[in-house]
Formats: sequence, structure tokens, C-alpha cells
Amino acid sequence: SQQGEEDPQALSIQEGENATMNCSYKTSINNLQWYRQNSGRGLVHLILIRSNEREKHSGRLRVTLDTSKKSSSLLITASRAADTASYFCATPKAAGNKLTFGGGTRVLVKP
Amino acid sequence: DARVTQTPRHKVTEMGQEVTMRCQPILGHNTVFWYRQTMMQGLELLAYFRNRAPLDDSGMPKDRFSAEMPDATLATLKIQPSEPRDSAVYFCASGLDTGELFFGEGSRLTVL
Repeated sequence: SQQGEEDPQALSIQEGENATMNCSYKTSINNLQWYRQNSGRGLVHLILIRSNEREKHSGRLRVTLDTSKKSSSLLITASRAADTASYFCATPKAAGNKLTFGGGTRVLVKP
Repeated sequence: DARVTQTPRHKVTEMGQEVTMRCQPILGHNTVFWYRQTMMQGLELLAYFRNRAPLDDSGMPKDRFSAEMPDATLATLKIQPSEPRDSAVYFCASGLDTGELFFGEGSRLTVL
């Protein structure tokens, strides 16, 4: 099974609303990363949070990490139609940043 | 603007044919990854190179798949012979040891 699992699998919201998705993982990590994938495109890195960090912000993105619960959340505030994409969490499986990805959350932002 | 370049972007072939996908990683990156993405399995790691040396190809069907890095500017993924179940989007990504991965746009393979 995959190291990271996102929840929910799909999310539909109106433009301007916030979108929250969660990621759970199984083993100890030194960092957790979030990526976005637009339809038909490659993945794009959004944010990396280290195991000694609890929260990180980047523009309209807010990521939290709870290592005691082995979980992370990604919040997109004031969503836009352009935020429509799939969002993946990824964790390194071993030294050297060998990333394994979850199944992703498909987000639809309706204008 | 540095980016990972993959060719071909699309490939349609018949079962039994050889398929070669190529990737030019970002100059200076020391890790290169091949992933396969399907609706059913999601993103699967096929192979992983560090400083051009193959470190992990445990996710790759050994009998028909092979991955190489003949030099620092080229990574290849070969399927011989191809089968319909190999139909997927294949992504190459490169990065440094401790940071983010940069993905190419993918090679969409259809095996008839």
C-alpha cells in the first residue's frame, strides 16, 4: 500500500471557499511534500514541511504536520477556478528523497 | 527556465513493439526518477538513479522494462516487448537529495 493516503478522494467547492485535504502516512519521515497536478500535465511541487515544523505557509496555501498522528493537511484559502487540479502528498521512503505518492485528492473549484 | 524534458509526449504502438522513452533532467540535479501513472494504481515508482547509478528499480517489471542513464543529460526507459497493460503516462522527475522533485510533462503510452 502507498505511504501517503489523501482524504477525501474528491472535493467540489465554490470559488472563494476554502479547500482542505488531509494526508496520512505510515512510517517516520523527515519531511512531507505536497504537489499539484493539472489535467494532462506533470506534477508541480507546492510546499515541503520538515518533521520539526508544525505549520508552513506559502501564499494561499497552509500546510500542517502532526508527526504524533502521522498526518498532514493542506488548506487552500479563497480558492479560484485555477486551483482545480489533483493534489498529492509525498513522503521520502529512504535517504536520497525517494518519494512515494498517495492517491491524490481531486479538487474542483466551480466559478 | 530549467525544466525536465520528456520525449515523446504521446506514443501509440502495437503489442510486442519496443518502446523507448527519453528524459533530459535539469542540469545539476543528481537524482532521477521514473514514475508510471494510471487511474487504477496511481503514481508508481519504477526506477531511481542517483549520480547516474541505479539505486532502486524494484518497482519495475524486470523481464520487459529497463532503465538507464547513459550520461548526466539523458535517462531512458525501455519496454520490450510492450503489452496493453503498459498503457499509462510515464513521468520522469529530477531533483537534489534533500528537496523537491521537478517533473516532466509525461509520455502518454498507448499499447494496442
